[in-house]
Amino acid sequence: EEQVVESGGGLVQPGGSLRLSCAASGFTIHNFWMSWVRQAPGEGLEWVAHINPGGSEKYYVDSVRGRFTISGDNAKNSLYLEMNSLRAEDTAMYYCIGWSSGSIWGQGTLVTVSS
Amino acid sequence: DVVMTQSPLSLPVTLGQPASISCRSSQGLVNSAGNTLLDWFHQRPGQSPRRLIYEVSKRDSGVPDRFSGSGSGTDFTLKINGVEAEDVGVYYCMQRTRWPHAFGQGTKLEIK
Repeated sequence: EEQVVESGGGLVQPGGSLRLSCAASGFTIHNFWMSWVRQAPGEGLEWVAHINPGGSEKYYVDSVRGRFTISGDNAKNSLYLEMNSLRAEDTAMYYCIGWSSGSIWGQGTLVTVSS
Repeated sequence: DVVMTQSPLSLPVTLGQPASISCRSSQGLVNSAGNTLLDWFHQRPGQSPRRLIYEVSKRDSGVPDRFSGSGSGTDFTLKINGVEAEDVGVYYCMQRTRWPHAFGQGTKLEIK
């Protein structure tokens, strides 16, 4: 069964950093596009970052470009999102998505940016 | 950037009745390969989104055939032929033809 499991969320102060992880199983991330999408409390879905198979192309939404970095570790079959200079408006549930045979979403990991 | 606009934003439906959600994109969604990368997702309360339809009209594995997608150019529609109780939640259209990919605002379906 194909699945992804996110971890690494938590409470962080404005200006702080967090690293989100996404462990994939049932498929190899190196062969597929992978993404991070977020959802602020009570709000809709927003794309954050996107990485191609092999990791040579990375895309970011304007609001996180320069602060967030998407990357993958093929040996661990895991995707990461390094988040720096966090702001209150980054508070959201962060979902990892694997675009393999279908659209594989995790359960999400909650990031709260607050003092 | 491509903007996705859904209507209605709220959709009360009687069980067993049909439902229809519209999605309009600010630009055409055909890519260089001739494919239209417009998908539909369903998010039940407290759950992660699940994709129902990809590339306008193709149903994902396990999706009931009461769900159908159609459209072309900039206008797309999701139809539910006979709403069931498990269909409540929020429906999102999404374009992945151009970066940044974009979701619509969401349409909340509820049972009357």
